[in-house]
Amino acid sequence: SQKIEQNSEALNIQEGKTATLTCNYTNYSPAYLQWYRQDPGRGPVFLLLIRENEKEKRKERLKVTFDTTLKQSLFHITASQPADSATYLCALAGGWGNKLVFGAGTILRVKS
Amino acid sequence: GAGVSQSPRYKVTKRGQDVALRCDPISGHVSLYWYRQALGQGPEFLTYFNYEAQQDKSGLPNDRFSAERPEGSISTLTIQRTEQRDSAMYRCASSLGQQSDTQYFGPGTRLTVL
Repeated sequence: SQKIEQNSEALNIQEGKTATLTCNYTNYSPAYLQWYRQDPGRGPVFLLLIRENEKEKRKERLKVTFDTTLKQSLFHITASQPADSATYLCALAGGWGNKLVFGAGTILRVKS
Repeated sequence: GAGVSQSPRYKVTKRGQDVALRCDPISGHVSLYWYRQALGQGPEFLTYFNYEAQQDKSGLPNDRFSAERPEGSISTLTIQRTEQRDSAMYRCASSLGQQSDTQYFGPGTRLTVL
């Protein structure tokens, strides 16, 4: 069956450290993988997109990798800040049209 | 500019009633999506439109759910004969229309069926 798995437990880290979130998938062949941030009571907000032929993408303190062999994406936030605390969702897009298939999300808590 | 808006923000209804949820996408966005999100889960796809054409409705749970976008702008998601299991956050998103495009999400409508 098709699955998208993200760290089920919340990730607690100290301010200034690098947060690494994992997204694994099975039985999908995505053309794109996107990461979204969601704050309580709000809709998801787009952060980064990476294509299947790209290994790594960066934007300011954010970095995402995409390994289509391992069927895994890693999302890194360097020099984390308490304001980075939120739920982070990975989403796949591919040959099934424009719709996104989301993981359940990982809660990140950054403590000062 | 204005983002995606949804109304009502909260809807409480009794089992068996019909409800209509409205989505107003970002002006000029070709694609409009409906998702449902349970607490602690990611959004789950329901259906999407390009302009006024419904491209994919494979995520609609059953035939009590329907959606339309008659003029290629505002969309309505209708749930007939609501049941308690329909209670959830319903989210709308819009995008420029390409598969790789960012989807912009609205604030959602929290539906509670008593």
